[in-house]
Amino acid sequence: QSVLTQPPSVSGAPGQRVTISCTGSSSNIGAGYDVHWYRQPPGTAPKLLIYGNNNRPSGVPDRFSGSKSGTSASLAITGLQAEDEAEYYCQSYDSSLSNSVFGGGTQLTVL
Amino acid sequence: QLQLQESGPGLVKPSETLSLTCTFSGGSISGTSYYWVWIRQPPGKGLECIGGISSTGTTYYNPSLKSRVTISVDTSKNHFSLRLSSVTAADTAVYYCARQSFGFGELAWFDPWGQGTLVNVSS
Repeated sequence: QSVLTQPPSVSGAPGQRVTISCTGSSSNIGAGYDVHWYRQPPGTAPKLLIYGNNNRPSGVPDRFSGSKSGTSASLAITGLQAEDEAEYYCQSYDSSLSNSVFGGGTQLTVL
Repeated sequence: QLQLQESGPGLVKPSETLSLTCTFSGGSISGTSYYWVWIRQPPGKGLECIGGISSTGTTYYNPSLKSRVTISVDTSKNHFSLRLSSVTAADTAVYYCARQSFGFGELAWFDPWGQGTLVNVSS
């Protein structure tokens, strides 16, 4: 049972827009801690996709965007491409655990 | 280019101690704005933060693993290490090392990550 809750899977056709939600609580996202997102293609290490709720590292296309409100955050991907198929994880800090916590991951399938 | 590389045994017997080292290249591990962390991923499952250490030796650990975990840093060798004692099959996982940004009192994002190393706990 992950501290942050994500849908197990989402899907969309090429060119479409999909969103992945990440729901936390008053001790993590709701406490004001930032949310970060990672992309993990099969058999590889996770890679930073969004940091500080809505910032993209150099090299990440602007098709990827993040937002945060209350105890939840979302990752939006527009102009879906086949190469976007991967597992996506959200991450934040939890003050009651004094530790960084992850969501359970969401498998994105491009139809 | 900043890189992290894990090293250590791929097979550990139950009840023994898992030991891994992560070497940082392309920069110095002595920076004050970062923690150096270990994250694991059991086969087919999600990510779990084990804990981290600053260059000055300040540590934090996952409460569920705290009694069995020790993370240490050697700035002269630009590497940090993980020791996990009394392992069981449940500790079988890919172990990643990563650099965690730290600012305004908040432990933040992980970047970069090592490629990961699979550790199997089996007799």
